[in-house]
Amino acid sequence: QITLKESGPMLVKPTQTLTLTCTFSGFSLSTSGVGVGWIRQPPGKALEWLTLIYWNDDKRYSPSLKSRLTITKDTSKNQVVLTMTNMDPVDTATYYCVHRGGGSSTYYSPWGQGTLVTVSS
Amino acid sequence: QSVLTQPPSVSGAPGQRVTISCTGSSSNIGAGYDVHWYQQLPGTVPKVLIYSNKNRPSGVPDRFSGSKSGTSASLAITGLQAEDEADYYCQSYDSSLTAWVFGGGTKLTVL
Repeated sequence: QITLKESGPMLVKPTQTLTLTCTFSGFSLSTSGVGVGWIRQPPGKALEWLTLIYWNDDKRYSPSLKSRLTITKDTSKNQVVLTMTNMDPVDTATYYCVHRGGGSSTYYSPWGQGTLVTVSS
Repeated sequence: QSVLTQPPSVSGAPGQRVTISCTGSSSNIGAGYDVHWYQQLPGTVPKVLIYSNKNRPSGVPDRFSGSKSGTSASLAITGLQAEDEADYYCQSYDSSLTAWVFGGGTKLTVL
């Protein structure tokens, strides 16, 4: 059974850097084709794809947020870390960690429970 | 403004059939990239409902079906049930953006 869980601060101040950790189990991020990503959802709004890291350390970023995002993995710890710099109130959202299976097409299943991050002074 | 366009809302009576459209362009759906659908029940985490245009994960009722044609895709729900009331999102890949993209979501109301 694949599970993912996000951890990190619930509240950050504007201009600060957000660091979120995804701890997963039930799969290995060293298996060919596998990836872990991040998707966010502002309250009452739509889903927004942020970033994806593959088993081979290939990284993809949302073009609109690329300058602010960094994704890294620690395969030995079964963890993926997302950092987002220069946080703004519009970044207030639930941040989900997601699993990308090893198939030829990228979809996300399962999802972590999500963590609500509020940006406010 | 989402790259993939969905109607903000649809509704139907129990037992009826509803469809939710997802309209893209030549750089995403029209380029042949797969479309995936997610269901987000109220207060819950999204889960994949249809993957790769028309495939249902185990456990998803066959009342849900997906199709794709040209630059659009559709999710059909037959035999509508109260428990189907949720937000539905389509997702694909966009080669111009070199990024995965979601539709703006559709809220399904069961009357």
